[in-house]
Amino acid sequence: NAGVMQNPRHLVRRRGQEARLRCSPMKGHSHVYWYRQLPEEGLKFMVYLQKENIIDESGMPKERFSAEFPKEGPSILRIQQVVRGDSAAYFCASSADRNTEAFFGQGTRLTVV
Amino acid sequence: AQSVSQHNHHVILSEAASLELGCNYSYGGTVNLFWYVQYPGQHLQLLLKYFSGDPLVKGIKGFEAEFIKSKFSFNLRKPSVQWSDTAEYFCAVVGNTGKLIFGQGTTLQVKP
Repeated sequence: NAGVMQNPRHLVRRRGQEARLRCSPMKGHSHVYWYRQLPEEGLKFMVYLQKENIIDESGMPKERFSAEFPKEGPSILRIQQVVRGDSAAYFCASSADRNTEAFFGQGTRLTVV
Repeated sequence: AQSVSQHNHHVILSEAASLELGCNYSYGGTVNLFWYVQYPGQHLQLLLKYFSGDPLVKGIKGFEAEFIKSKFSFNLRKPSVQWSDTAEYFCAVVGNTGKLIFGQGTTLQVKP
């Protein structure tokens, strides 16, 4: 049973470009979470999705950031017009139900140059 | 609002010392509680979880945690740490809304 798969592992973007981060949840999991991690700042909740629905996006900036979890395919975290401050590790987690344990992917390290 | 607070940001211990990391949460309803560990350069892994029942839960690698409902706490303990326990530890809470949130993390450094 494959774990949570994130790709790419490393992504370099120039300022102003778009970053697209992918997350394939564990088989059978329909709940996906996205977090941002900066050194010394822990894990910041961004968005919680359940197949085709955004349940809670209270941690996601209103502009430039969007997330989706379509019926088929991976969840996508999209950052438009990236800025240097977007450089961070972005982790995805999935769970089988809304309040059970979540399993994490290896993360995508985004560097904006 | 739902929140999680970890008291210690950075802990340094010698091998064989005992460990206790504090975690308090704020939430107005029933919660499920977790401790995760992140080894250097790796992703988060589940150490242990509490859903219901015995408030003292045991996890992997000799870790345990105690849920004290009256104190809104879920402290992590290990009687004798090893150098390989050097990592960052995160407490997490999820309520019935499904929003899973984490504390700021505690970096544990174990000196050989």
